[in-house]
Amino acid sequence: KAGVTQTPRYLIKTRGQQVTLSCSPISGHRSVSWYQQTPGQGLQFLFEYFSETQRNKGNFPGRFSGRQFSNSRSEMNVSTLELGDSALYLCASSLRGQGSLETQYFGPGTRLLVL
Amino acid sequence: DQQVKQNSPSLSVQEGRISILNCDYTNSMFDYFLWYKKYPAEGPTFLISISSIKDKNEDGRFTVFLNKSAKHLSLHIVPSQPGDSAVYFCAASGRSSNTGKLIFGQGTTLQVKP
Repeated sequence: KAGVTQTPRYLIKTRGQQVTLSCSPISGHRSVSWYQQTPGQGLQFLFEYFSETQRNKGNFPGRFSGRQFSNSRSEMNVSTLELGDSALYLCASSLRGQGSLETQYFGPGTRLLVL
Repeated sequence: DQQVKQNSPSLSVQEGRISILNCDYTNSMFDYFLWYKKYPAEGPTFLISISSIKDKNEDGRFTVFLNKSAKHLSLHIVPSQPGDSAVYFCAASGRSSNTGKLIFGQGTTLQVKP
């Protein structure tokens, strides 16, 4: 079974631009979660989507948004990019996203550099 | 407020010896804990998990121990191999969330010397 895939793998943008990242979950998985990894803050939860609905959101500004499609693929968007948005963005999928019952499987991540 | 803490940023062990990575948590609502291994520029790879109804779970060279009263878990790798050199993250989730939200520790970099 194919794993979680993320595109693109690397991205360079300038301040003020916007960016869209894509994530395809493992086949059959309906929950997709997004995380940001930075050297100073570690891995932080951005949001989770299940059945095309955002079910949970972390402490990030409204510039960070996402959506999920009917085939469970998900996109996240960051508008008005800031230098501090430079990070590795990770997507993870699980069957139903029921935290205490399931394991999340991660994709390889998208490395975003904001200049 | 950091709910999951890995207090040792790094650990170095000799090949063939035991590696012990530690993790502490503060939220008593956490009831599922996971360990992930991560190489640079790659996504975390799931290693092993444990439910709060257990105090030990084994999978090959990897064993996770959970001490609920101390809110502490540890990952034991025996024997350690050079390929185990990576960053290890512990993560937790809880009944209250009922969502796919994991809270991660800051990670411990393990170096296994040949």
